[in-house]
Amino acid sequence: SAVISQKPSRDICQRGTSLTIQCQVDSQVTMMFWYRQQPGQSLTLIATANQGSEATYESGFVIDKFPISRPNLTFSTLTVSNMSPEDSSIYLCSVSSSPSGGLTDTQYFGPGTRLTVL
Amino acid sequence: SQQGEEDPQALSIQEGENATMNCSYKTSINNLQWYRQNSGRGLVHLILIRSNEREKHSGRLRVTLDTSKKSSSLLITASRAADTASYFCATGRGSGYSTLTFGKGTMLLVSP
Repeated sequence: SAVISQKPSRDICQRGTSLTIQCQVDSQVTMMFWYRQQPGQSLTLIATANQGSEATYESGFVIDKFPISRPNLTFSTLTVSNMSPEDSSIYLCSVSSSPSGGLTDTQYFGPGTRLTVL
Repeated sequence: SQQGEEDPQALSIQEGENATMNCSYKTSINNLQWYRQNSGRGLVHLILIRSNEREKHSGRLRVTLDTSKKSSSLLITASRAADTASYFCATGRGSGYSTLTFGKGTMLLVSP
């Protein structure tokens, strides 16, 4: 399974500021995914980040609020912009088990970034 | 939007007992995956079952899938205190590659 790391592991931010979360994988993967887990809730997919193309956002999430970069096959960033207390969540990146992604791939998750917005 | 619904929402058992969690979903899937999460930390992948499979085993875990009823179950046998965690099912859907839709989760408490 892929080894995934995220930075920072946690942060406390002021409203109106932005935070960029980094996700690093130890192997090359085409598909990377970003999820949000609000307090006491389940996970919701924010976007799919395919290297070499624009990220695909799920309903309810927009690029201006959650810009994503995918500069190479092992790295991605998610920025949470103009934060409000409602953005307080755990943000997790994940990758598929096969390099190019597939219908029956296992998805592995990073340790998450716990964000608190004051 | 969430597709999966787990029940029960919370389950409390004694060590050595079996724990069964159920998951239902609404639309067709490519696969269904079960995850464990300890105290809001990262997700640990437990098992994946493909849409054309009916049952899979991994150690003390047994997963079943009934696509006609759009439901799955996770059985943990001979539970241990270390099994205390939240358990989520996630359905994989899409063409070309799968994206996951998570259920609300079951919080399992195993008492010594």
